[in-house]
Amino acid sequence: ELKVEQNPLFLSMQEGKNYTIYCNYSTTSDRLYWYRQDPGKSLESLFVLLSNGAVKQEGRLMASLDTKARLSTLHITAAVHDLSATYFCAVGSASGGGADGLTFGKGTHLIIQP
Amino acid sequence: GAVVSQHPSRVICKSGTSVKIECRSLDFQATTMFWYRQFPKQSLMLMATSNEGSKATYEQGVEKDKFLINHASLTLSTLTVTSAHPEDSSFYICSARDWRGGREQFFGPGTRLTVL
Repeated sequence: ELKVEQNPLFLSMQEGKNYTIYCNYSTTSDRLYWYRQDPGKSLESLFVLLSNGAVKQEGRLMASLDTKARLSTLHITAAVHDLSATYFCAVGSASGGGADGLTFGKGTHLIIQP
Repeated sequence: GAVVSQHPSRVICKSGTSVKIECRSLDFQATTMFWYRQFPKQSLMLMATSNEGSKATYEQGVEKDKFLINHASLTLSTLTVTSAHPEDSSFYICSARDWRGGREQFFGPGTRLTVL
């Protein structure tokens, strides 16, 4: 059974600071996703990581994937208040020909204070 | 592109009634759609995989007779919560994958179900 663990689950930080959210998963996977969710809303896709060593950046967010360690990180640089949200990582199963749904981490509730 | 809609966005119903939620891919065709459920302050849990023209595949612990899924076309999947009870109150989110391939799932805006 695929398990996805995120940490921390709650993070309060000040604007301008840097921080990293970690996502570990238990079995081999060929794809990892990062999403953002605002209160009462659905998911906004941030990154899709498909290969070992993949690194993607969008604004103040950067995601990386180490498939050997089964670890992905979401790094926040010089945080701003608008980044306050809940961030989820999700992993697809390596079996099933890519037809399987995603297994989500519990989410990291991020609050960025001015 | 890659827009997924859900209808209704919010529904309140009485205990014992059935509620149908629609998930549509607006600008692409999807042979596979997925239904997730999210309880307050929790993560998303996969309920079932909906395959066009065939029976849905349900995750362990999800009652297939209670959560009826129909994927009658390449752009529409429906989830019917039968005989809804207060414990079924949740945020239901669908996603769809473009039939032409690719690894990304496109998520709908979600449906908030409240059962009184």
